[in-house]
Amino acid sequence: KNEVEQSPQNLTAQEGEFITINCSYSVGISALHWLQQHPGGGIVSLFMLSSGKKKHGRLIATINIQEKHSSLHITASHPRDSAVYICAATTSGSARQLTFGSGTQLTVLP
Amino acid sequence: DTGVSQDPRHKITKRGQNVTFRCDPISEHNRLYWYRQTLGQGPEFLTYFQNEAQLEKSRLLSDRFSAERPKGSFSTLEIQRTEQGDSAMYLCASSLGWGELEKLFFGSGTQLSVL
Repeated sequence: KNEVEQSPQNLTAQEGEFITINCSYSVGISALHWLQQHPGGGIVSLFMLSSGKKKHGRLIATINIQEKHSSLHITASHPRDSAVYICAATTSGSARQLTFGSGTQLTVLP
Repeated sequence: DTGVSQDPRHKITKRGQNVTFRCDPISEHNRLYWYRQTLGQGPEFLTYFQNEAQLEKSRLLSDRFSAERPKGSFSTLEIQRTEQGDSAMYLCASSLGWGELEKLFFGSGTQLSVL
């Protein structure tokens, strides 16, 4: 079992839909990252959070430390949101090591 | 463009050859990471530098792999005697800050194909 698991693996939505991607982890963490990867490999860091909720534009990330669960929400989705979304955990007791989930491929259709 | 650049973007090599990749992080970033990503998987941590010091190495990093960051700026990752299993995307990331203030910036990666 992976230490960081994401669901779903693939998600297709219509433009305008509200999207949720989930991330569960089984290890103690000091922080959790949400990353966006576009075709061609470029990865952009969207959020880093260790508690509560963060919002940036149409993106919202939440984390529940007790339940070891985080969600990434996209409101009013758009085709340009199509990408792979990856959650990654910085594990407690390990200086800077990130454990990545396998990613969620999101396709938003016009 | 995140400000982290990697060179080359693509590398095709024959099994047994040595290859070297370069990463130029954002200039003021003191932390630099190398990751490896295979098709359909999330990236896997390889190694981490704080300034010029290599502080952590993954068990994935066999003796054929070596990384340097000689002046705390750019970094190189060398793979000796490449094997077909080394074929992957090699990603570099840099960061500044601590705790929740740390934000990672990734390069576009070097895609290695070992024939």
